[in-house]
Amino acid sequence: GQNIDQPTEMTATEGAIVQINCTYQTSGFNGLFWYQQHAGEAPTFLSYNVLDGLEEKGRFSSFLSRSKGYSYLLLKELQMKDSASYLCAVMDSNYQLIWGAGTKLIIKP
Amino acid sequence: IAGITQAPTSQILAAGRRMTLRCTQDMRHNAMYWYRQDLGLGLRLIHYSNTAGTTGKGEVPDGYSVSRANTDDFPLTLASAVPSQTSVYFCASTSGENNEQFFGPGTRLTVL
Repeated sequence: GQNIDQPTEMTATEGAIVQINCTYQTSGFNGLFWYQQHAGEAPTFLSYNVLDGLEEKGRFSSFLSRSKGYSYLLLKELQMKDSASYLCAVMDSNYQLIWGAGTKLIIKP
Repeated sequence: IAGITQAPTSQILAAGRRMTLRCTQDMRHNAMYWYRQDLGLGLRLIHYSNTAGTTGKGEVPDGYSVSRANTDDFPLTLASAVPSQTSVYFCASTSGENNEQFFGPGTRLTVL
């Protein structure tokens, strides 16, 4: 079967760095996505990795290792507005997205 | 319109009633999707459409139907609602570039 695993909840301090991990087992791989979802709102796109390595975009970076079925999202200089759920999703061989349940990130002052 | 709109924003529905959730996008995206999001679960694909005139079944299609008469609109119909269809429903679309999906604001549906 297809499976995406990520921690249910994480807590971090304002100004710090946090890493959210995602492991996956899917039928085929056509890229891995990270989305941010604030409570009561729609998911919004953060990053896309299709090749191994690190993609940096401002305070956010995303890493992919296809051989290990592993990705992480790194958030630096945390701000209170970063409190949200972070969703990991993998595009399978049918070009459909398989979603993890999301990681709720709580930022404390 | 800018992006994707969904209607209604929320709805309380009696079991057994028919309901259509509306989704419209103005980005001329070819592919559109319907997901449901339930607490503790990831987004689950209900139905999708790769282009106007075609539709396909996702992971959880039972009890739902869709149509894609044109590029902009992708309505989702519950023929006879059941309480297990209580959920938040998101419509999404993609142009295919980078495969990024853009989401509508969602419809919160409660079936009693």
